Amino acid sequence: GENVEQHPSTLSVQEGDSAVIKCTYSDSASNYFPWYKQELGKRPQLIIDIRSNVGEKKDQRIAVTLNKTAKHFSLHITETQPEDSAVYFCAVSDSWGKLQFGAGTQVVVTP
Amino acid sequence: EAGVVQSPRYKIIEKKQPVAFWCNPISGHNTLYWYRQNLGQGPELLIRYENEEAVDDSQLPKDRFSAERLKGVDSTLKIQPAELGDSAVYLCASSPGSQSSGNNEQFFGPGTRLTVL
Repeated sequence: GENVEQHPSTLSVQEGDSAVIKCTYSDSASNYFPWYKQELGKRPQLIIDIRSNVGEKKDQRIAVTLNKTAKHFSLHITETQPEDSAVYFCAVSDSWGKLQFGAGTQVVVTP
Repeated sequence: EAGVVQSPRYKIIEKKQPVAFWCNPISGHNTLYWYRQNLGQGPELLIRYENEEAVDDSQLPKDRFSAERLKGVDSTLKIQPAELGDSAVYLCASSPGSQSSGNNEQFFGPGTRLTVL
């Protein structure tokens, strides 16, 4: 089955700096790669996703890059703000729509 | 538009007791998922429905867990009897399309936090 690894497990950044989270996966047939943000006690919320036919996608301060050959993808958050503090999960979907989640990255943005 | 609705939000029970969780997906979403999220970890899929059919229940512990989606809309997940290790957040999610449509964006409900004493 799919194996998703996410790094780092915790990330502390100064407000205004950039944050980068990386995930690797094992199944080359995977074709959908969403990122979820989960605040404490809240539901996971989709913040950005990318499909296997695209190498990069950007939405305001967040972007995702995908390297299918190397089987890794990354989340980039620029100009971080305190409200970006949360746990971020990467996920990988196979052709059947089954999502396998990474272990999560706790991001702390300090003012 | 209402999101995915789950109830109850919190449940505390003693071990060996039964418990049930309810989920109402976003209107029109054919695919419904139940996940379990342990503290400090990502969600893990328990079961996936397309309409009323369970198309992936390979990770559902069938000795004590059961689920149903009789009319292809809302769904119930049951644990009987509950064990201490079942303490977790149980998340329901839905997506608009089926596997064949390729539209697999998933929207999560608020979850039910289960504590087994």
